[in-house]
Amino acid sequence: SQQGEEDPQALSIQEGENATMNCSYKTSINNLQWYRQNSGRGLVHLILIRSNEREKHSGRLRVTLDTSKKSSSLLITASRAADTASYFCATDALEGAQKLVFGQGTRLTINP
Amino acid sequence: DAGVTQSPTHLIKTRGQQVTLRCSPKSGHDTVSWYQQALGQGPQFIFQYYEEEERQRGNFPDRFSGHQFPNYSSELNVNALLLGDSALYLCASSSHRTEAFFGQGTRLTVV
Repeated sequence: SQQGEEDPQALSIQEGENATMNCSYKTSINNLQWYRQNSGRGLVHLILIRSNEREKHSGRLRVTLDTSKKSSSLLITASRAADTASYFCATDALEGAQKLVFGQGTRLTINP
Repeated sequence: DAGVTQSPTHLIKTRGQQVTLRCSPKSGHDTVSWYQQALGQGPQFIFQYYEEEERQRGNFPDRFSGHQFPNYSSELNVNALLLGDSALYLCASSSHRTEAFFGQGTRLTVV
């Protein structure tokens, strides 16, 4: 079973627009990581946010974390065609060894 | 830095056969985890290796086993393959519970 839930499952926007994806989870976490996956290939690490952080930026990416609501969001600004991919959030639970629990992902399509 | 490398990239096996997948972690990483990703789904945790021992295991049968070598590289073995084992198998490496970096995966098809 998967803990995380990404929302929406699919998102289609025009190039240049901003894209926002949300992730909810169930247990207390050590950190939350966002990944990108192109066409069923490997996962590319985008950003890690720790449980004591509320917001983090990396280039055109902005991630927020609300541990009281057990949710996170990924914002991609000024989207490009190359951003077309599936995006996954993965939680590293507070208890036990590092074991990332993924949601089913958001399929993002950027239209030229 | 070569990052996480996996081999082979694609593999076709027959039901009942056995398969071994290989992973070399990113330089400086000592922890290797394996994930299975079915089509259209998120990756599912299989198990994790640290200091040559299985540290944690997900909800996978004993047909799935692994090994970690002194150089931190790892193997995933699957015995008695079933059609349902067809998936993308991903290896991730990390250290001290920081970012986990993934390889390009091995696409296993069981026929």
